[in-house]
Amino acid sequence: EAGVVQSPRYKIIEKKQPVAFWCNPISGHNTLYWYLQNLGQGPELLIRYENEEAVDDSQLPKDRFSAERLKGVDSTLKIQPAELGDSAVYLCASSFVAGSTGELFFGEGSRLTVL
Amino acid sequence: DAKTTQPTSMDCAEGRAANLPCNHSTISGNEYVYWYRQIHSQGPQYIIHGLKNNETNEMASLIITEDRKSSTLILPHATLRDTAVYYCIVLGRDDKIIFGKGTRLHILP
Repeated sequence: EAGVVQSPRYKIIEKKQPVAFWCNPISGHNTLYWYLQNLGQGPELLIRYENEEAVDDSQLPKDRFSAERLKGVDSTLKIQPAELGDSAVYLCASSFVAGSTGELFFGEGSRLTVL
Repeated sequence: DAKTTQPTSMDCAEGRAANLPCNHSTISGNEYVYWYRQIHSQGPQYIIHGLKNNETNEMASLIITEDRKSSTLILPHATLRDTAVYYCIVLGRDDKIIFGKGTRLHILP
């Protein structure tokens, strides 16, 4: 069974450029999460989806970050424009259990470097 | 803020049991203890969780004290592949999964 798939694995851009990350969760998992992980820190939740509805986006910086999960399957996280401080690993996770409890399955992450 | 306290780092000899402690003195009755680990350049991986009884699976054992204020994750026979950051998380229903900085476990050959 395929795990959570993320792309691109690595991305290098200049500041003020846009960037997008894609996530394909495990089949049948209705809950999808985007996390941000800075170097040496634990992951921090950006947004959580139940199917196509964003049920928790309180930590998403909405001035430059946006996310969508059309049809309740794949999801895209976008940053526009990127800033130097956005350099981090962006992790996608999915779970079968509704709500934020339960076992989360993470992808390998997308490492962003903003120059 | 994370509701747990973990040592920053630990070492363990290969083949020995690795015992990772976690303090969660403010845990409430309906909150679970979850453990994840993150190997370098990978996403976090679920290990085990428990409420008040000790739990064991193919990866590890979880020992929760009777007062539930602390727990220990036990890797019975540590290998080099167990080198990772281990996160202890306290989670109630509909809570956000909040990762702290975890414990960086080094398995020494």
